[in-house]
Amino acid sequence: GQNIDQPTEMTATEGAIVQINCTYQTSGFNGLFWYQQHAGEAPTFLSYNVLDGLEEKGRFSSFLSRSKGYSYLLLKELQMKDSASYLCAVINSNYQLIWGAGTKLIIKP
Amino acid sequence: SQTIHQWPATLVQPVGSPLSLECTVEGTSNPNLYWYRQAAGRGLQLLFYSVGIGQISSEVPQNLSASRPQDRQFILSSKKLLLSDSGFYLCAWSVNPQNEQFFGPGTRLTVL
Repeated sequence: GQNIDQPTEMTATEGAIVQINCTYQTSGFNGLFWYQQHAGEAPTFLSYNVLDGLEEKGRFSSFLSRSKGYSYLLLKELQMKDSASYLCAVINSNYQLIWGAGTKLIIKP
Repeated sequence: SQTIHQWPATLVQPVGSPLSLECTVEGTSNPNLYWYRQAAGRGLQLLFYSVGIGQISSEVPQNLSASRPQDRQFILSSKKLLLSDSGFYLCAWSVNPQNEQFFGPGTRLTVL
């Protein structure tokens, strides 16, 4: 089968750094996405990785290791507004997008 | 720029009643279109996707159906709603299957 694993919930402190991990087992790989979803709202696109390495976009960075089937989303200088669920999704060889269940990130002052 | 609209934003329907949710995309042509459902506290479940007018692929057999009567219009329907149909329904579009998807604001459906 195909699956994506993420921690269900994480807690971090305002101003700190947090890393959200994602591991995947899919039939082939054509890219990995990270989305942010605030409670009651639609997901919004954060980042895309298709090659190994780190992609940086402001306070957010995303890393990919295809050989390990592993990615992480790194959030720096956490703000209260970063409290949200973070969804990892992988495109397989059939161009199907496989979604993880998401990680709920709670930011404490 | 591209925008995606969904309506209604919220809906409360009795069991056994019909359903019609509409999604339209502006600012792009021949988009790939998707319908998802998200139960409370859960991940996204792909229901239908479409690569063109009249072309619908179903991912999960159930009492829902989808139609694409126009290039940028995607409709989700049901003849008789079940309690288990309650959830957050999201429409999304992408340029190609391998590109990022952009989501509409969603419809929160409660079936009583």
